[in-house]
Amino acid sequence: AAGVIQSPRHLIKEKRETATLKCYPIPRHDTVYWYQQGPGQDPQFLISFYEKMQSDKGSIPDRFSAQQFSDYHSELNMSSLELGDSALYFCASSLDEGTIYFGEGSWLTVV
Amino acid sequence: DAKTTQPNSMESNEEEPVHLPCNHSTISGTDYIHWYRQLPSQGPEYVIHGLTSNVNNRMASLAIAEDRKSSTLILHRATLRDAAVYYCSLNAGNMLTFGGGTRLMVKP
Repeated sequence: AAGVIQSPRHLIKEKRETATLKCYPIPRHDTVYWYQQGPGQDPQFLISFYEKMQSDKGSIPDRFSAQQFSDYHSELNMSSLELGDSALYFCASSLDEGTIYFGEGSWLTVV
Repeated sequence: DAKTTQPNSMESNEEEPVHLPCNHSTISGTDYIHWYRQLPSQGPEYVIHGLTSNVNNRMASLAIAEDRKSSTLILHRATLRDAAVYYCSLNAGNMLTFGGGTRLMVKP
């Protein structure tokens, strides 16, 4: 079965640069979520979209933005990157408030 | 958000049952109890969920207290591949929050 696809899997950026992560949810899923997991920490909810509209907002910095496109893929844009943004970023998707399925994550390293 | 409390870590021997507890004393009537696990360097993986009744699936069983203030995830026979961080989470809507899971170590 198709899973949540994230790209790129690994990304290295310098401080103050911009990074964009992409997420392709499971086909026909109507909700996309973004989570951030720092080293040794639990995943923290950032933001979610339901049918292309923002639905919930968590601890997402103002430097970050996200959107869901007409084909339901989503992008997380991160600007003015800081060392502390280095983390594993997960995208997840679900259908009709059902089980949430996670992708394998995108590793962002800020140097 | 309703909070959950889990032990930081637990240890089990391979092939033995494991009972992972979770306290959620502030659970509301509409909160579902979800369990996810996260293997190293992987995304969280759904294990099981329930509302009031005990639940079984191919991965595990979920025992929910009558007052719903606690639950226990039961792995019937732990394997080395079950070593992971197990998260208990409550969601009344469509969002999962992860906090303070239990790191399960399985000894051969």
